[in-house]
Amino acid sequence: EAQVTQNPRYLITVTGKKLTVTCSQNMNHEYMSWYRQDPGLGLRQIYYSMNVEVTDKGDVPEGYKVSRKEKRNFPLILESPSPNQTSLYFCASSLYGGGANEQFFGPGTRLTVL
Amino acid sequence: AQSVTQLDSQVPVFEEAPVELRCNYSSSVSVYLFWYVQYPNQGLQLLLKYLSGSTLVESINGFEAEFNKSQTSFHLRKPSVHISDTAEYFCAVSIQGAQKLVFGQGTRLTINP
Repeated sequence: EAQVTQNPRYLITVTGKKLTVTCSQNMNHEYMSWYRQDPGLGLRQIYYSMNVEVTDKGDVPEGYKVSRKEKRNFPLILESPSPNQTSLYFCASSLYGGGANEQFFGPGTRLTVL
Repeated sequence: AQSVTQLDSQVPVFEEAPVELRCNYSSSVSVYLFWYVQYPNQGLQLLLKYLSGSTLVESINGFEAEFNKSQTSFHLRKPSVHISDTAEYFCAVSIQGAQKLVFGQGTRLTINP
């Protein structure tokens, strides 16, 4: 089944404790992206990747890191989480970037930072 | 820069009633427009999209949206809703060469029996 998977689905952590949210797609997509969803704000892009070893900042990159060492994986790293990073996170992928392509979303990771 | 405004944060309707979810966008260049649906505890799924051509686009489950360039709108409609349509709906815009979707705030559609 073609899909985007994320792990963990739910995570409660404390301020300053490094964490990684994994994202993997099995559709051989070139483009991957991370969004965060907050009430009343819709989804905002954190980082995106056009291809392996090519990443760039989205609209709200502060406090996050990413890497793209393999085509299928695009982990999101929070080096020192803070309470304002409490949110619902979505990974997405599409065949290519460029605006017109449908993005396929993972099931989401709900993160709480105490 | 592009922006999207969804005018209603919540829309309650009765089952089998018609519904319209409003979406307006702002852009200085030609746009691609999308509606995504998020069912409870799930990720987003593409409902329909406008890239070019016919301004009326339809989904497989009875929704339709019409691109209106003069009013910069892309409202989503369904003539008769079902309980299973309960979800949050997001309008999004992109442009050629862009590396992201710009989302509206979302509209929560609640269907009452």
